[in-house]
Amino acid sequence: EVLLVESGGGLVQPGGSLRLSCAASGFSFSSYEMNWVRQAPGKGLEWLSYISETGNPIYYADSVKGRFTVSRDYARNSLHLQMNGLRPEDTAVYYCATKTPGTTYFNYWGQGTLLTVSS
Amino acid sequence: QSVLAQPPSVSGAPGQTVTISCTGSDSNIGAVYGVHWYQQLPGAAPKLLIHDNTNRPSGVPGRFSGSKSGTSASLAITGLQTEDEADYHCQSYDINLRVWVFGGGTKLTVL
Repeated sequence: EVLLVESGGGLVQPGGSLRLSCAASGFSFSSYEMNWVRQAPGKGLEWLSYISETGNPIYYADSVKGRFTVSRDYARNSLHLQMNGLRPEDTAVYYCATKTPGTTYFNYWGQGTLLTVSS
Repeated sequence: QSVLAQPPSVSGAPGQTVTISCTGSDSNIGAVYGVHWYQQLPGAAPKLLIHDNTNRPSGVPGRFSGSKSGTSASLAITGLQTEDEADYHCQSYDINLRVWVFGGGTKLTVL
């Protein structure tokens, strides 16, 4: 069974930093592209970042480019999102999601972790 | 503002059929890539419901079906059940923006 478990969310002051993690199990981690998608309270979904199954290439949404950095650890089957320069508008539930190479949809999602940016 | 446009809400009685529309442009839905749909039950994560316009992953009931025409797509739910009450999101890839794009989501209420 595919399992994605996000962690690391919490309350951060504007301008602060935080690192989210996504622990993956139940599938061949090195065979899947990984993504971060977020959902602000009461809003729709927003794709944030992509990292290929090999770790390169990496893509970001304009809203987080230059502030967020995605990485993956093959030894620990985990995905990370380093978030710097946080803003109140970054407040959202953050999901990690898998994508099979060659497709354009997200086939498995984690349960999400909540980030609140507020003073 | 979301790149793909969905109605904020739809409703229907048990047993009825509802459709949810998703409108895009030539650079996303109207391009070569497919449209995908996700179901998000209250308090839960999104779950893939339909991929590549019409395909249901294993385990998704046949009551759910998708279609695409030009720059628009639709999700149809027949024989509505109370457990279908959820938010539904459409998604595609935009070849001009080079990003994966979503609709704003549609809340389905089963009366």
